[in-house]
Amino acid sequence: DTGVSQNPRHKITKRGQNVTFRCDPISEHNRLYWYRQTLGQGPEFLTYFQNEAQLEKSRLLSDRFSAERPKGSFSTLEIQRTEQGDSAMYLCASRVGSGSGNTIYFGEGSWLTVV
Amino acid sequence: SQQGEEDPQALSIQEGENATMNCSYKTSINNLQWYRQNSGRGLVHLILIRSNEREKHSGRLRVTLDTSKKSSSLLITASRAADTASYFCATDREDSNYQLIWGAGTKLIIKP
Repeated sequence: DTGVSQNPRHKITKRGQNVTFRCDPISEHNRLYWYRQTLGQGPEFLTYFQNEAQLEKSRLLSDRFSAERPKGSFSTLEIQRTEQGDSAMYLCASRVGSGSGNTIYFGEGSWLTVV
Repeated sequence: SQQGEEDPQALSIQEGENATMNCSYKTSINNLQWYRQNSGRGLVHLILIRSNEREKHSGRLRVTLDTSKKSSSLLITASRAADTASYFCATDREDSNYQLIWGAGTKLIIKP
């Protein structure tokens, strides 16, 4: 399968714990995005990487959130000291090239439930 | 902030009928994309239409784009039960590394 891969698919954690999600984009895709989605809503942009450089972060991304893409391939999204409001699906997407006009491909998402 | 708004929010039709969903957006775009999302799953790309295109077809899907009205429509012909899903439109923001901006989606239910 050469699509965008995310794991874990589901994570239940206690409030205050840290969680980390991993995304493996399509291999030739230099651009990688993280989005968050809650029930009944469209995805909300969190952050964007071009190769290993994190070029943009949403104001939604508080200090408890950090994302990395150390070698310009896979990416991780870590949430520290989780809160119940962090419960959502975290979507990773990747895209080739620069500019617009190329399709963004999404993974299946990682569901986070904070109890 | 959300850029696109899909309309209607929910649509329930009989199998075999056509389903039309609309999307409006606020700023100038380079292209507009439609995605499908089955419950609890990721987003599946359906079709991309560029700002200089007015209509595009892919199988049972027909997308139109009216940049003067800042709106797009997605038509699914001869609907099937498997088309039951949420449908989202998304636009590229030129000023923001071409991240996609999304609406809240149209929930489509096809009744057998």
